[in-house]
Amino acid sequence: QVQLVQSGTEVKKPGASVKLSCKASGYSFTSYYMHWVRQAPGQGLEWMGIINPSAGGTSYVQKFQGRVTMTRDTSTSTVYMELSSLRSEDTAVYYCARDQAEVVVNPIYYFDSWGQGTLVTVSS
Amino acid sequence: DIQMTQSPSTLSASVGDRVTITCRASQSISNWLAWYQQKPGKAPRLLIYKASSLQSGVPSRFSGSGSGTEFTLTISSLQPDDFATYYCQQYNSYSGTFGPGTKVEIK
Repeated sequence: QVQLVQSGTEVKKPGASVKLSCKASGYSFTSYYMHWVRQAPGQGLEWMGIINPSAGGTSYVQKFQGRVTMTRDTSTSTVYMELSSLRSEDTAVYYCARDQAEVVVNPIYYFDSWGQGTLVTVSS
Repeated sequence: DIQMTQSPSTLSASVGDRVTITCRASQSISNWLAWYQQKPGKAPRLLIYKASSLQSGVPSRFSGSGSGTEFTLTISSLQPDDFATYYCQQYNSYSGTFGPGTKVEIK
């Protein structure tokens, strides 16, 4: 079965960077797009961007342009999301989520499998 | 950008009730809409995609309808496991904008 296992809780100071990981198993890692979605405490869901694990191409929400970098390591079936210049408003649970579309077609942008989430707390 | 709204924001209901949640898009999204269920401390779970298609493994008491700008999620007979927050999400515009959520509480 599809499993997305994310890295553990992070506590960072304002201005720092954080790099989260999401290890996929149970399917062909390079066959499906992957997204990152975040959720601030008590708030709704916010889509951040997408990565093609096969080609490595990415697309980010304009709000995060210049601060977010999504990468992948095909040898370990892992995607990464690095967010820099952290501020208190970045405190959230960050999820990786698999697109239902395979990379041979365009992504669909809805998510059939999710990681368990990683809490990032930004505090001085 | 397409904006999504949901109503109500909170809904109190009893086991066995028929429950309907409405989602509206700021412009037409055809039927490019998904619904998710989220329980506290857990990741969201896909229920419905393409407005009315039931995701594999999701109970048939969940159904979705609508097109264009107005959509509904219906739970035909609310079960104890269904008390959660529900989010709609549009995926028409090469992005994934979510609604603010509807919390279904025990009455």
